[in-house]
Amino acid sequence: EAPLVESGGDLVQPGGSLRLSCVVSGFIVSNQYMHWVRQAPGKGLEWVAVINLAGTTYYADSVKGRFTISRDNSKNTLSLQMDSLRAEDTAVYYCVRGEGFITKVWGQGTLVTVSS
Amino acid sequence: DVVMTQSPDSLAVSLGERATINCRSSQNLLSNNRDYFGWYQQKPGQPPKLLIYWASTRESGVPDRFSGSGSGTDFNLTISSLQAEDVAVYYCQQYYRAPLTFGGGTKVEIK
Repeated sequence: EAPLVESGGDLVQPGGSLRLSCVVSGFIVSNQYMHWVRQAPGKGLEWVAVINLAGTTYYADSVKGRFTISRDNSKNTLSLQMDSLRAEDTAVYYCVRGEGFITKVWGQGTLVTVSS
Repeated sequence: DVVMTQSPDSLAVSLGERATINCRSSQNLLSNNRDYFGWYQQKPGQPPKLLIYWASTRESGVPDRFSGSGSGTDFNLTISSLQAEDVAVYYCQQYYRAPLTFGGGTKVEIK
């Protein structure tokens, strides 16, 4: 069973919202740093956000104020709420288990397309 | 933000030959005797895979032909004897402080 499975990617219009989920297995999400990293089509990697053991969150400047990373300890899942989406947010979004800030184990990703 | 600059953008190496990729950081990544720096490999259609962390520690299961070196602001990834399965894009990353940042990537191909 894959340790990280993302879902929720879809086609959404500019200005719209989307919520990504990452189902975690084999470990407890609240016991790890958890990250989101994205990759635009044909482009490089861009770190998006992290939530640490205490629940403190950090964001890339490009998404600050628009995206919210959170976890649900009862469901052992990680989420990324994305609001005010822009065309430049189009990317594959990866859920990543961290060892601290080391992005160690990556999911397969889910594709978000922002277009009218 | 910490800017990571990789070179070259692409590299073609014969099978069995050495491949070396360089990454430079705009800030010193050394703290408490550790460099907060890593290397990733991404093959087509796959997520990235962690190869090296703390600049020179190989992740479990990574072949020993992959090695990381350097400290401070200047780092290298060396593939000592290139194999066909090493064709991929390689990324460097700093995790010294948020926002974490990646280099632009180096595409490694067979000559």
